[in-house]
Amino acid sequence: QLQLQESGPGLVKPSETLSLTCTVSSGSISNSGYYWGWIRQPPGKGLEWIGSIYYTENTYFNPSLKSRVTISVDTSKDQFSLRLSSVTAADTAVYYCARQGSVASRRWFDPWGQGTLVTVSS
Amino acid sequence: DIHMTQSPSTLSASVGDRVTITCRASQSVVGWLAWYQQKPGKAPKLLIYRTSSLESGVPSRFSGSGSGTEFTLTISSLQPDDFATYFCQQYNSYPYTFGQGTKLEIK
Repeated sequence: QLQLQESGPGLVKPSETLSLTCTVSSGSISNSGYYWGWIRQPPGKGLEWIGSIYYTENTYFNPSLKSRVTISVDTSKDQFSLRLSSVTAADTAVYYCARQGSVASRRWFDPWGQGTLVTVSS
Repeated sequence: DIHMTQSPSTLSASVGDRVTITCRASQSVVGWLAWYQQKPGKAPKLLIYRTSSLESGVPSRFSGSGSGTEFTLTISSLQPDDFATYFCQQYNSYPYTFGQGTKLEIK
């Protein structure tokens, strides 16, 4: 059964760059049927899609975050990564990685990683 | 962006009750809507996709309906395991957006 696991620092200073990696296991990130996405959830709030990447490195982002977001993929390690620059306290959230269908009619998220809390604080 | 609004924000109900959660989109998403269940400290879990298609392993007491801008998630007979927060998500157009969530509480 496909599993995803986020990893990275839990504390980032304001104005610095948040970096997270998602490792895919029991499956291949090079599967042509899927994109791989990042979603975040501020404490006690709703979900916000950040962006998604295909194994060919095709990416698309939420326009609200696009200027600060980089998503990359390493097919040799079955990993994809998120970088969010110039963070502020508003970027404090649980960050999830998830698989997303590549066909437009299948763009729900399933499964999800367990999530990792990133706090932005000095 | 398509704005998704769920109602109610909080719902108190008892085991055995039939409950319905509504999700409204600011513009048509056709039928490209999913529902997720989230328990405290856990990741969201896919329940329903394409408005009414039940994800494998999800109990049949869950059902979804709707089209265009108005959708519903119904739980026919609440079980103790169902008390959680539920989110809708549109994937008709990007950026993909979620509702703010409906917290289902025990009465």
